[in-house]
Parts: sequence; structure tokens; C-alpha cells
Amino acid sequence: DIQMTQSPSFLSASVGDRVTISCRASRSVSTFLNWYQKKPGKAPDVLIYAASTLQDGVPSRFSGSGSGTDFTLTINNLQPEDFATYYCQQSYNMPFSFGPGTKVEIK
Amino acid sequence: EVQLVESGGGLVKPGGALRLSCAASGFFSSEYGMNWVRQAPGKGLEWVASILSDDQYIYYTDSMKGRLTISRDNAKNSVYLHMDRLTPEDTAVYYCARKLDTALGDWFDSWGQGTLVIVSS
Repeated sequence: DIQMTQSPSFLSASVGDRVTISCRASRSVSTFLNWYQKKPGKAPDVLIYAASTLQDGVPSRFSGSGSGTDFTLTINNLQPEDFATYYCQQSYNMPFSFGPGTKVEIK
Repeated sequence: EVQLVESGGGLVKPGGALRLSCAASGFFSSEYGMNWVRQAPGKGLEWVASILSDDQYIYYTDSMKGRLTISRDNAKNSVYLHMDRLTPEDTAVYYCARKLDTALGDWFDSWGQGTLVIVSS
């Protein structure tokens, strides 16, 4: 099975900041990498699929990059509604494992 | 509008069983890979089970293998997750999710609101 790691596990940021979250796969997943946003009490929402493609309706301040084993989610101009936990997920092969999450909190 | 509604969660004693249901609307669930993902209290997302659109391929997480059965009823446009021999570690919110398959890859594009399973004596 492919293991996913994320860093940092927690970050504190202010509105307007630029935030970068890293995700690493235990072996290459090409660009089969997705990012989800999860808020307490709500279902996860996909933000980015195929490493860098923005899901319809997701603000353009979110972007993704990377291929192989190393990926990045960037949030520019952080907004109050962006404070949440972010998960990467590989869809290269089953099981479609998730990373442990990165919680973005208000500084 | 695509919608997934889970039900069947609740309080169950250790060693007990539970069947979760996921009712789909706005699309035919038979045409998609359908999945269960859970989140234990204070923990991250964990993929649990998948049934692919042709029903030939079914996958389960190793942590629950042998205790899970995923199935679907196309006439009811629903997917089910039967869980046996539950332990307190299975306490979690269980989400149903639709998998979109494209040339770019697969991802879970629609999710239900979740159903809470509590395993406790």
C-alpha cells in the first residue's frame, strides 16, 4: 500500500497570508493526487484533483503542484473560511490512502 | 442535484454488528465506484471500502478486513456497508462518497453528511 505523509501537521496563519502544505507519497503516484478540505461537522470537499486541477467552484487562491512523490497545496491570500484541515489523497492505486491532515488555524 | 444520504449509524455494543446505508439521488450509483470513508474522533480521514461500478472489484481496508461487506442495490439506488464484530476503535463518522473516474485520475467528488457510529458498552 502507498503511505502518505503531510507537513506540517498544524500551522497557524493570519488572514491574507500565503500558506503552503506539503504531501509526500511513499512511492510515485504520478499526478494521481487529490486535495480535500474538511471542516468540523461537514463532509470533505475536493479542492484539487490530478495534482493541479482546480475543482469547479473552488476559488483560484487555491493551487496545487507536484508529481511523482512530492506535492504542494498553496493557499494565497488566506480567507476566514479557509481555516480547516486539509488532506491529500493518492488515487494511483487502491487503497486510495489519505494523508494524516494539516490543520490550518487562525493566528 | 447529486446527493448522498447516509443512515444506520448509532450506538452498538462491542462485538455487535451494524449496516450503514447510503441513498443516492441525482445520479445512478450503479454507474460509479462508491466508497465509504470514516473519521474517528480527533483523527484524520480513513478510506474504508470501495465497490467499483462493475461490481467485480471490491476493496476493504486492512484494519477492518474480514469484518466488512460492501454491497449495492441498484433498484434502490443505494450502497450499503455491513460491519461485524465492532470494537470501540471503529467509533467514527462514516461517510459515503462517489468516485469520479476520468483520464486524469479518480477522486471523491460528492460526499454524504455522514452517519455516526459509536461502539461502547
